[in-house]
Amino acid sequence: DTAVSQTPKYLVTQMGNDKSIKCEQNLGHDTMYWYKQDSKKFLKIMFSYNNKELIINETVPNRFSPKSPDKAHLNLHINSLELGDSAVYFCASSHRDRGQQTQYFGPGTRLLVL
Amino acid sequence: GENVGLHLPTLSVQEGDNSIINCAYSNSASDYFIWYKQESGKGPQFIIDIRSNMDKRQGQRVTVLLNKTVKHLSLQIAATQPGDSAVYFCAATPESNYQLIWGAGTKLIIKP
Repeated sequence: DTAVSQTPKYLVTQMGNDKSIKCEQNLGHDTMYWYKQDSKKFLKIMFSYNNKELIINETVPNRFSPKSPDKAHLNLHINSLELGDSAVYFCASSHRDRGQQTQYFGPGTRLLVL
Repeated sequence: GENVGLHLPTLSVQEGDNSIINCAYSNSASDYFIWYKQESGKGPQFIIDIRSNMDKRQGQRVTVLLNKTVKHLSLQIAATQPGDSAVYFCAATPESNYQLIWGAGTKLIIKP
């Protein structure tokens, strides 16, 4: 009965590769997010998305793109991976349209680019 | 804009004592604040929230205090236990903007 799930949990890949991380939420939320957490634990919002609006953090390289096949899923595609992309990526969801800003997080995907 | 920061990156507390984690914010339009706990290897987990029309809110062993005058909030954990070891984040947002602005995190270490 996991609320927000991500796959894979660990991802080790070579520089230059293209990879995807999947996220699913079964909370019935209308908004999903992707965060990047660096080695110093700083959480940086990358995207927020619902069926009405995609908000992109302007500092995110366009090699990163979110793809949402339906309201319960928001996948993260990363092209031409770079060493600096190594981090933990968290998916989260919330009920934005109900005015509830509390976000529920997945367990994270630990990406290591070699 | 909004800056949310924590005063101390690491806090060491004796087991059984109370812990106080502080957070400052810069945008006076912020009216919703959340504390999250992140245990090692896990995602952030919601602890407690507070809206700007309140100055105190209590949960189970946790209390959040909000001082809008000085733009400061704190998380108090009573009778700190080993399971409280984690990184604690504060986050803030104005009601009109659903983007949470996150602080840098404070690592809470429990001494036996």
